[in-house]
This record gives sequence, structure tokens and C-alpha cells, in this order.
Amino acid sequence: AQTVTQSQPEMSVQEAETVTLSCTYDTSESDYYLFWYKQPPSRQMILVIRQEAYKQQNATENRFSVNFQKAAKSFSLKISDSQLGDAAMYFCAYRSVRANQAGTALIFGKGTTLSVSS
Amino acid sequence: NAGVTQTPKFRVLKTGQSMTLLCAQDMNHEYMYWYRQDPGMGLRLIHYSVGEGTTAKGEVPDGYNVSRLKKQNFLLGLESAAPSQTSVYFCASSYRLLASDTQYFGPGTRLTVL
Repeated sequence: AQTVTQSQPEMSVQEAETVTLSCTYDTSESDYYLFWYKQPPSRQMILVIRQEAYKQQNATENRFSVNFQKAAKSFSLKISDSQLGDAAMYFCAYRSVRANQAGTALIFGKGTTLSVSS
Repeated sequence: NAGVTQTPKFRVLKTGQSMTLLCAQDMNHEYMYWYRQDPGMGLRLIHYSVGEGTTAKGEVPDGYNVSRLKKQNFLLGLESAAPSQTSVYFCASSYRLLASDTQYFGPGTRLTVL
């Protein structure tokens, strides 16, 4: 079974600085997707970024980028130029491409709470 | 375009009571999901639906039932609530079942079972 581990329960960063959130996962599959979701205090889960395992190029969405190390099974999220609105819980998630045939779940880590100070 | 909405937002039940959570989406998505989120945990899939009239079990289905009578609605039922079902429940929907597809989440329902 696949597992996702986020080893940092809490992180903090100052406005305009850069922070990196860690995520590791365990799988025997070769094709899958990885995601970072943001959950602000409103509780609404919002997709931040996704990465396909077969793509070597790291995904980037504006100030958010990932460092995907497939061999190490590592998928970290870097937030540049942090803003107060980035304060939230961030979840790393895994999904097998077997989901294309069956409804395999998004498998979530336990989350990292990010606080941003001015 | 409201996206995914959930009713109610909060609910307190006594052990043994029943209730139904309603999820509605206006994006014409075929696929819908129910997750639960417990403190210090990520979301776990309870049940999902691949279309009107079709449902399937997820990772933690025990104690829950679901129905998808209309494409836009996905109901989650608790027949006899237990304290272990105290959680935040999220509904999500996606256009396709592909692993890459974005799942759009509702705002959640906080359920407390006393």
C-alpha cells in the first residue's frame, strides 16, 4: 500500500521569504501523480500544484514549485516570496494511475501547518 | 457557479441518531467522492461514485451509506452515529476519473457525535 509522510507538523516563514515543505512517499508503482493541496482556515481544500511521475521537469505554478526526486521518493514544495495569504495547512497527496480504471483514492499525508509572519 | 456545496456546515448528534449529509455540484462532473478528515490526519476516502446510480466503497466505508440518485447530488448517510464518526466530512467532484484530474472540494461539514 502507498503511504505519504510529511515529517514537519509545523513550519513558519516571514513575509517575502522562501520556505520548503517536505514530503516523502512509498510506492512500488512507476506511474502516479503527486499533488500539493492547501487548506486555509476556511477548510476549503485547494489544489496548489501537481506532478506526473514520468515528467522529469519539476512543476511550477507562479510562486509555487516542487522538487521531485523520483528515486528518493521525495516531493517537496517551495513557496517563494511568501505572503500572509499562504498561511494554511498543506497536504501532500499521491494518486496511482490505476485510478484511470478504478476509483483509487487520493492518499494524503498528515499535513504541515504553515504560519506566515509580517 | 457555486462549485461544490455541502449541507449542513455543522451538526451535533447523539450516539445512535441518524443523519444525511448532502453534497451538490454544479459543474456537471461525473465523479463524486466523500472523505473524512480526523485531527492530525489527511483525508481518507469513504465512498465514491462514478455516475448517477453507481457507488463504490473507498478506504473507510464502514458505518456509512451513500446514494447518487441525481448526477449533481451525492448523499452520505449515517444510520446509527458513533463517537468514532466525529470528524470533518468533505465532498469532492471531478470531471473524469483520471489520476491527474483535479478534485474540487466542498467546504466541509463538521460533525460531532456525543
